[in-house]
Amino acid sequence: ETGVTQSPTHLIKTRGQQVTLRCSSQSGHNTVSWYQQALGQGPQFIFQYYREEENGRGNFPPRFSGLQFPNYSSELNVNALELDDSALYLCASSSPLGTSGGGQDTQYFGPGTRLTVL
Amino acid sequence: AQSVTQPDIHITVSEGASLELRCNYSYGATPYLFWYVQSPGQGLQLLLKYFSGDTLVQGIKGFEAEFKRSQSSFNLRKPSVHWSDAAEYFCAVAPGGKLIFGQGTELSVKP
Repeated sequence: ETGVTQSPTHLIKTRGQQVTLRCSSQSGHNTVSWYQQALGQGPQFIFQYYREEENGRGNFPPRFSGLQFPNYSSELNVNALELDDSALYLCASSSPLGTSGGGQDTQYFGPGTRLTVL
Repeated sequence: AQSVTQPDIHITVSEGASLELRCNYSYGATPYLFWYVQSPGQGLQLLLKYFSGDTLVQGIKGFEAEFKRSQSSFNLRKPSVHWSDAAEYFCAVAPGGKLIFGQGTELSVKP
């Protein structure tokens, strides 16, 4: 069974640029969640995707956007990068209980993408 | 609002000693509770989870946690710590499918 994978591992961008981070979910999981973890902090929920639709969003501005593909992999896009966007970005996949989605089941995390904005 | 508090930012224990990491949560309904561990520069690994039933849950690597509704706590314990347990530990609650994490407790293990 393949776990959650993320690419790239590290990324350096400059302020104002755009970035795309990628995540492949664990086999059998149809829900993907993205988290931002600033240095010394706990992860903060960005948003969740279930069956290619956004299914919940945290307190992040619209310049943070995402996609989920038919194979359940996902992308996180961040436009107009700011210095404070420097963080570890974590992707987690899960298989929701029932049919309503929501990812109530356990979330399994990938290794993360370290983004540095200069 | 839902929240998780981990009162101890940093704990140091001797190898072989027992460990207890504290976690308090604020949530209106019956919570889903988790403990994750993170090694430096790595993702999060699930140690254990509580959804319902027995309030003492067993996890991987010899960890256990006890859910106490009256105290809104979900403390993590291990009877004998190994040097490889040195890492950051996060408690989380899951309202509506998203995880809300505490600030984390960094565990150092001294020989």
